Amino acid sequence: SQKIEQNSEALNIQEGKTATLTCNYTNYSPAYLQWYRQDPGRGPVFLLLIRENEKEKRKERLKVTFDTTLKQSLFHITASQPADSATYLCALAGSSASKIIFGSGTRLSIRP
Amino acid sequence: DGGITQSPKYLFRKEGQNVTLSCEQNLNHDAMYWYRQDPGQGLRLIYYSQIVNDFQKGDIAEGYSVSREKKESFPLTVTSAQKNPTAFYLCASSIFGRPGELFFGEGSRLTVL
Repeated sequence: SQKIEQNSEALNIQEGKTATLTCNYTNYSPAYLQWYRQDPGRGPVFLLLIRENEKEKRKERLKVTFDTTLKQSLFHITASQPADSATYLCALAGSSASKIIFGSGTRLSIRP
Repeated sequence: DGGITQSPKYLFRKEGQNVTLSCEQNLNHDAMYWYRQDPGQGLRLIYYSQIVNDFQKGDIAEGYSVSREKKESFPLTVTSAQKNPTAFYLCASSIFGRPGELFFGEGSRLTVL
């Protein structure tokens, strides 16, 4: 069955450093991969989308890479800030984008 | 302002009772989704609908039912057949067929007493 794995352990980073989160998947060939941010008790908020034919996508301090050979995406936050502390979710979708499945998320804490 | 509204935000029910969670969007999106989230876990897909009067089961549809009579509305009923209904329920919408982002509501937290 399709499976998405994200860092199960919480990630603690010093402010100003780069945070790197990992998303691995199996038994799936997604056409699109997305990253969301979720704060406690709130709905997720979309951050970035990358297509299968794209290697890298950037948005301000965020960078996503997508390696379909390794079946892995890396999500980077540069110059991290305490306000970046949240849970980050990886999501995959097929070519029709009709069914979107999520990983379990990685909790990121940025300490001052 | 456009967005997705879920209600109620908190809901308590007794075992054996059905409960319906409301989800309304004014984004003119074609596709709508229901996800369930348990503590410390990711989102699991319950049902999704791409157009009015049509919907598909997700990975954990047993014990749930939905309807899509209007484009802007996608209510979820948690039936008494759902063995472990206590969870955080999230509704989302997107433009069908485009790999655009999902827009989520603020969620409904259901507790079965």
